[in-house]
Amino acid sequence: DAMVIQNPRYQVTQFGKPVTLSCSQTLNHNVMYWYQQKSSQAPKLLFHYYDKDFNNEADTPDNFQSRRPNTSFCFLDIRSPGLGDAAMYLCATSSISGSGNEQFFGPGTRLTVL
Amino acid sequence: AQSVAQPEDQVKVAEGNPLTVKCTYSVSGNPYLFWYVQYPNRGLQFLLKYITGDNLVKGSYGFEAEFNKSQTSFHLKKPSALVSDSALYFCAVRDYGQNFVFGPGTRLSVLP
Repeated sequence: DAMVIQNPRYQVTQFGKPVTLSCSQTLNHNVMYWYQQKSSQAPKLLFHYYDKDFNNEADTPDNFQSRRPNTSFCFLDIRSPGLGDAAMYLCATSSISGSGNEQFFGPGTRLTVL
Repeated sequence: AQSVAQPEDQVKVAEGNPLTVKCTYSVSGNPYLFWYVQYPNRGLQFLLKYITGDNLVKGSYGFEAEFNKSQTSFHLKKPSALVSDSALYFCAVRDYGQNFVFGPGTRLSVLP
């Protein structure tokens, strides 16, 4: 089945130790998103790629970076995680072929910062 | 700017009773509206959407939503709630680009 996969599902890191979260998709969608979600709040968009075009939200901290080496993969790099970065990180994809297309979400990666 | 409101943080209903989760929106132009559900420690799962056409939209798991342009609402409904419907529900609107704006979420509890 076509899907969005996130690895790992659970990630534990130490304060200040860089961490990378990964997302892959088999849907061949041209848009990929990274969201941060804290304690049952609405997902907060960090950035998205439209094909290779990177779009950063104005309030996304510089500590967060992203890479999209090809259509299928997208990575979230947190350069120096702080305690406040502990959250669920959600990857999503969407096709831009029609504006009415919904997003497909991965299962998320729960990040713990010690 | 586009925005979505979900006026109820929490909704509780008894199993077998009808449920409604409310959503209102503010957009310029025609809205593309969505409902998603999230179970604990999972990603969001698409339920249904309104793009154009009939105001009553049917989706997954027996859910439906009614688009009301004059009231700028898109309430989620189900005729008979199940305990397994207990989850976090998000309403969202898509702009003409690639971005989705999510409401704050409503926690639905269906009591046995």
